[in-house]
Amino acid sequence: QVQLVQSGAEVKKPGASVKVSCKASGYTFTSYYMHWVRQAPGQGLEWMGIINPSGGGTSYAQKLQGRVTMTRDTSTSTVYMELSSLRSEDTAVYYCARGYYDSRTSAPAFWGQGTLVTVSS
Amino acid sequence: QSALTQPASVSGSPGQSITISCTGTSSDVGGYNYVSWYQQHPGKAPKLMIYDVSNRPSGVSNRFSGSKSGNTASLTISGLQAEDEADYYCSSYTGSSSWVFGGGAKLTVL
Repeated sequence: QVQLVQSGAEVKKPGASVKVSCKASGYTFTSYYMHWVRQAPGQGLEWMGIINPSGGGTSYAQKLQGRVTMTRDTSTSTVYMELSSLRSEDTAVYYCARGYYDSRTSAPAFWGQGTLVTVSS
Repeated sequence: QSALTQPASVSGSPGQSITISCTGTSSDVGGYNYVSWYQQHPGKAPKLMIYDVSNRPSGVSNRFSGSKSGNTASLTISGLQAEDEADYYCSSYTGSSSWVFGGGAKLTVL
C-alpha cells in the first residue's frame, strides 16, 4: 500500500531555512508526481508545488518562487522540500501528497502524516 | 493565482442532501476537467473524495458526487451522516503543472 512518511517537527528562527523529507514506499517512486501542500494553523490548504520524481522537474506556486526548492533522491525514494528565508507566516503543517494516477494533472491523493514547522524567535 | 471561492459554511440535517460550490475562472475550474474535492477532519490529513470533476477513488462512498458547469464546480453529499461533518476543500489544475485550492467550507450536520 502507498505510504508516505515525513520527517519530524521543526522549530526555526526567522530568516532560517527548513528542509522536510517525505519517504515513499509501496509503489514505483518514479511513476507518480509528488505535491507539497501546507496548512497554517486554523487556515485552509495552500498548494506549494510539484516535483516529477522521474526527471526531477518542478513547478512552484508563484507566491513561493525563489524561496522553495523541491528535490528528490531516487535511491531512497525520498522527496524533499526546502523553504528559505522563513517568516512567522510560514508556520504551518507541511504535507507531501502523491498524485492519484501517473500524470502531472493528477490531484494529490495519498498524503503523508504532515510535518509541523514553527517559525519563532 | 487566487484561491477558488467556496462558502465558509454549509449545514444540513441527517439524511438530507447538501451541495458545496467552488467558483473559479476560465483559467482553472472552467478551463480543465481536473477539479478535485477533499474532506478533512480536525487534526487529520485531507482525504481525496472526488477527482477529475466527478470520479470517486475506490473506497469512497457513492453518497459523494461531483459536477461542473462553466467556472463553478460542485460537491453533493446525499444521505448526510454525522461523520460527514468536516471541512471540505476543492482544488483545480491551472495549467503548467500548477494547482490551486479553495478556501474551504465547514460542513455542520445538525
